[in-house]
Amino acid sequence: DAGVIQSPRHEVTEMGQEVTLRCKPISGHNSLFWYRQTMMRGLELLIYFNNNVPIDDSGMPEDRFSAKMPNASFSTLKIQPSEPRDSAVYFCASSLWGGYTFGSGTRLTVV
Amino acid sequence: GDSVTQMEGPVTLSEEAFLTINCTYTATGYPSLFWYVQYPGEGLQLLLKATKADDKGSNKGFEATYRKETTSFHLEKGSVQVSDSAVYFCALSGGGADGLTFGKGTHLIIQP
Repeated sequence: DAGVIQSPRHEVTEMGQEVTLRCKPISGHNSLFWYRQTMMRGLELLIYFNNNVPIDDSGMPEDRFSAKMPNASFSTLKIQPSEPRDSAVYFCASSLWGGYTFGSGTRLTVV
Repeated sequence: GDSVTQMEGPVTLSEEAFLTINCTYTATGYPSLFWYVQYPGEGLQLLLKATKADDKGSNKGFEATYRKETTSFHLEKGSVQVSDSAVYFCALSGGGADGLTFGKGTHLIIQP
């Protein structure tokens, strides 16, 4: 298994632009999580899905953030419009029965 | 809500020294406990876990014991190597499919 695959690995964008981060979970995993990592706040859970259904999005910082999971093999996290304070590493993780596997992350820089 | 507290870093040790990284937690019910490691520029890798009280998780020479009475899950290694230099995260899961709650991470630096 190739593990959790995230793309792109790095993204640099200008303030105000739309950014879309992508995640392919491990086949057969039924839960998917989006985390954000910053020096100041550490690892924060943004949103998670069970069986493609969003369960808890209370960690999403603002309405500028949205996430979708149209099928069991794909999820997106979108930021529109992006701001410099959104600069962080965004991780996707998938899980089955409490075993969590993380992707390599997307390093987002908003200038 | 659930929370995890780790000792602040960075922790700097010489090669072959004994390592302890403290971790305590607050949670309702009976959480599962984890240690993850993050090497520079990489994602999080599961190092070890324990799912019930008195369980000991171990991997690559690292160990941690789930202590319910002290709500702790301290990470230990008897003899560290330069290659152990990384950031270590303690985390808990409440038992459902609701994700992990992480500590702030401890940056470990091993000097030759």
